[in-house]
Amino acid sequence: GAGVSQTPSNKVTEKGKYVELRCDPISGHTALYWYRQSLGQGPEFLIYFQGTGAADDSGLPNDRFFAVRPEGSVSTLKIQRTERGDSAVYLCASSPAGSSYNEQFFGPGTRLTVL
Amino acid sequence: GQQVMQIPQYQHVQEGEDFTTYCNSSTTLSNIQWYKQRPGGHPVFLIQLVKSGEVKKQKRLTFQFGEAKKNSSLHITATQTTDVGTYFCAGPNDYKLSFGAGTTVTVRA
Repeated sequence: GAGVSQTPSNKVTEKGKYVELRCDPISGHTALYWYRQSLGQGPEFLIYFQGTGAADDSGLPNDRFFAVRPEGSVSTLKIQRTERGDSAVYLCASSPAGSSYNEQFFGPGTRLTVL
Repeated sequence: GQQVMQIPQYQHVQEGEDFTTYCNSSTTLSNIQWYKQRPGGHPVFLIQLVKSGEVKKQKRLTFQFGEAKKNSSLHITATQTTDVGTYFCAGPNDYKLSFGAGTTVTVRA
């Protein structure tokens, strides 16, 4: 079956611009996670959705970052006034339900480059 | 907050040799998960350990969860070129995962 998909695969933008990154989770998965991965590091948690609501946004670095999941499936991560330090691979993952015992299925990621 | 540390950061292995990578958590874990990320790829789930002292095997890979549920190890025997990649351990923190920095494995043929 289809896995987690993310678009675009690559995004190059200029400092100060606004970007949107999209995640399409596995059908039926109610839990959705966004992570950010910098070179040589493990994924770093950003935000977790259970259904439509953001159950935990403690990993968002500042108020330039925002994410939505209006219908409980597709999610969009929005970054305003991008900075060079935002450059990273943004990974989306989903799981059947929000549980510390569930494996997470990762998408291929969006590589964001801020010039 | 919870911290997960992995050593070594890099592991250069001769094909056919064995090696072990280690994972340590600052807090007791309900379970620990291991993921593998191939070069240019995304993390893929390998296994989950739940019980204290648990040992699980997947072909040439042996995973162990410490008695105190604060550490884990991954041992690979007879390393092959297909083992190349970065191995991450991850501990749950509520519903999210805290990942270590990973052990990046390269193999000399």
